[in-house]
Amino acid sequence: DQQVKQNSPSLSVQEGRISILNCDYTNSMFDYFLWYKKYPAEGPTFLISISSIKDKNEDGRFTVFLNKSAKHLSLHIVPSQPGDSAVYFCAASSNTGGTSYGKLTFGQGTILTVHP
Amino acid sequence: DVKVTQSSRYLVKRTGEKVFLECVQDMDHENMFWYRQDPGLGLRLIYFSYDVKMKEKGDIPEGYSVSREKKERFSLILESASTNQTSMYLCASSLNRDRTNEQFFGPGTRLTVL
Repeated sequence: DQQVKQNSPSLSVQEGRISILNCDYTNSMFDYFLWYKKYPAEGPTFLISISSIKDKNEDGRFTVFLNKSAKHLSLHIVPSQPGDSAVYFCAASSNTGGTSYGKLTFGQGTILTVHP
Repeated sequence: DVKVTQSSRYLVKRTGEKVFLECVQDMDHENMFWYRQDPGLGLRLIYFSYDVKMKEKGDIPEGYSVSREKKERFSLILESASTNQTSMYLCASSLNRDRTNEQFFGPGTRLTVL
């Protein structure tokens, strides 16, 4: 039962163009969302997050959009650079309190390749 | 800089062996996590701990146990390794239970069970 889904296993983009990575979720209790980036032979690193009280969060070239009614979020990278080539994971958490705090549910990941 | 280290990058074990994966963080974080990463399944939470000697099951705890005797160290134990536990294992830590805190990951241990 995959509560966070990234339906595109891979995405290929030309340098300088926009990369759009998508993520869907099914659990309506999720209200905080994150994107992590992972290079080969390294652990994932945090990229950007968004709370459900917002519909957009921007950090430099990275913007995350949240559509709560559609249970959908997307990560936009503009302009894309070859160094952005990595696996991108979407993650979500719910405000259930107690010992559930800090627990994340991850998607399957999308491999982004940015061609020079 | 937060540093999360894992005892081995690569490990090969035989079916039925007891396997210990060690994780150490150096930033006095309260929370620690063990995930496994498999193609097409992403990262799945095995166990986590929010304090010394405290542990909580994640989404796929079967076949695993954990130990947290010291704040900086979180161990994952495979009591009797099986081939379906061949995977990449990732340890992470975060400052405390505030879910907005970033999780910092180690480089991972690639475990192969023959």
